[in-house]
Amino acid sequence: DSGVTQTPKHLITATGQRVTLRCSPRSGDLSVYWYQQSLDQGLQFLIQYYNGEERAKGNILERFSAQQFPDLHSELNLSSLELGDSALYFCASSGKDRHTEAFFGQGTRLTVV
Amino acid sequence: AQSVTQLGSHVSVSEGALVLLRCNYSSSVPPYLFWYVQYPNQGLQLLLKYTTGATLVKGINGFEAEFKKSETSFHLTKPSAHMSDAAEYFCAVSAGSSASKIIFGSGTRLSIRP
Repeated sequence: DSGVTQTPKHLITATGQRVTLRCSPRSGDLSVYWYQQSLDQGLQFLIQYYNGEERAKGNILERFSAQQFPDLHSELNLSSLELGDSALYFCASSGKDRHTEAFFGQGTRLTVV
Repeated sequence: AQSVTQLGSHVSVSEGALVLLRCNYSSSVPPYLFWYVQYPNQGLQLLLKYTTGATLVKGINGFEAEFKKSETSFHLTKPSAHMSDAAEYFCAVSAGSSASKIIFGSGTRLSIRP
């Protein structure tokens, strides 16, 4: 158990809909990262938050947004969903030092039908 | 900018044989390097990491990796493969300013033949 909790584990929704994925980082970790893993794109970094503030942005679509709340949990919002958004979405958290490894949650498998 | 290249998207070895998964990195600052493993339907788990100091790093499940600055490589090895090693392996680099963004390679799927 990595200590990172993601909910829900599975999500099936229709095209055009909006979903919210939730992540609770390890206790004490200030950084939260979101990744998308798909068969054709591999593991893609989406966005990082550090102590409530956006710290880095990767290949995140404009239809996607995220935030980190004062209790440090984070949410990834995906809107106007398309079939191609079907993927595994991982949340990871890490500590203050830059060499601290990221600890990954089990992921949310999103299926858009 | 940092980047990671994993050579070979799929590697197949016999049980008991040497496992060698290749990773080359590019970094404008001293890198911190990681290997993660992903078993089917699971999240990524850290195998080992290099930060500073000894260049040969030992990890879990009998894996080790050697940081070679001159070759910009961080290859993962295991002397004797086990069926339970079948998984996807990701090399990653963390470097740069305050972003602490970890960049992952594209992954190598390791298959073990009986």
